[in-house]
Amino acid sequence: DGGITQSPKYLFRKEGQNVTLSCEQNLNHDAMYWYRQDPGQGLRLIYYSQIVNDFQKGDIAEGYSVSREKKESFPLTVTSAQKNPTAFYLCASTDTGGANTEAFFGQGTRLTVV
Amino acid sequence: AQSVAQPEDQVNVAEGNPLTVKCTYSVSGNPYLFWYVQYPNRGLQFLLKYITGDNLVKGSYGFEAEFNKSQTSFHLKKPSALVSDSALYFCAVRDSLLTGGGNKLTFGTGTQLKVEL
Repeated sequence: DGGITQSPKYLFRKEGQNVTLSCEQNLNHDAMYWYRQDPGQGLRLIYYSQIVNDFQKGDIAEGYSVSREKKESFPLTVTSAQKNPTAFYLCASTDTGGANTEAFFGQGTRLTVV
Repeated sequence: AQSVAQPEDQVNVAEGNPLTVKCTYSVSGNPYLFWYVQYPNRGLQFLLKYITGDNLVKGSYGFEAEFNKSQTSFHLKKPSALVSDSALYFCAVRDSLLTGGGNKLTFGTGTQLKVEL
């Protein structure tokens, strides 16, 4: 089945640690996105990538980093510089064939700082 | 810039009654509008979209949405609510004039729908 797989589902991070969230898609989509979800704030865009080896900052990129070495993969690293990383993280992808295409989402990773 | 507003944090409705979840938007060009549903600790599922054409759009699970250009609204509706419809609903917009940003969506803050027996 085609889709987006995020792992792990739950992740715990100690203060000062970097952690990496995985996102893999087999939809053959060119564009991939990372969103952060906090209660009452909706989804906010962290980073996005329209093509391999290229990515752009979204609205809240500070304290995060990404890479796009393969079309299928778009991992997100939450660095120690991110002051409040506890949140639900969602990865999505779209076909860049047209702006009217819907986004497909993974099942999310819940990150908690302990 | 593109933006979307969902004015209600929560909507309560009795099972079998019609439901409406409100959404208004702001864009410079023409809007591409989407509704998504999220169940607890899960990703977002696509329900329906408006691109152009008929103002009434039909989607998954019996949901539909009405596009109103003069009121810049895209309200989600269902004629008869089910308890299983209880979830968090997000409206999203993409501006047809947005360039250089891929297919970025701007999401509303979400509306929690609670359907009770």
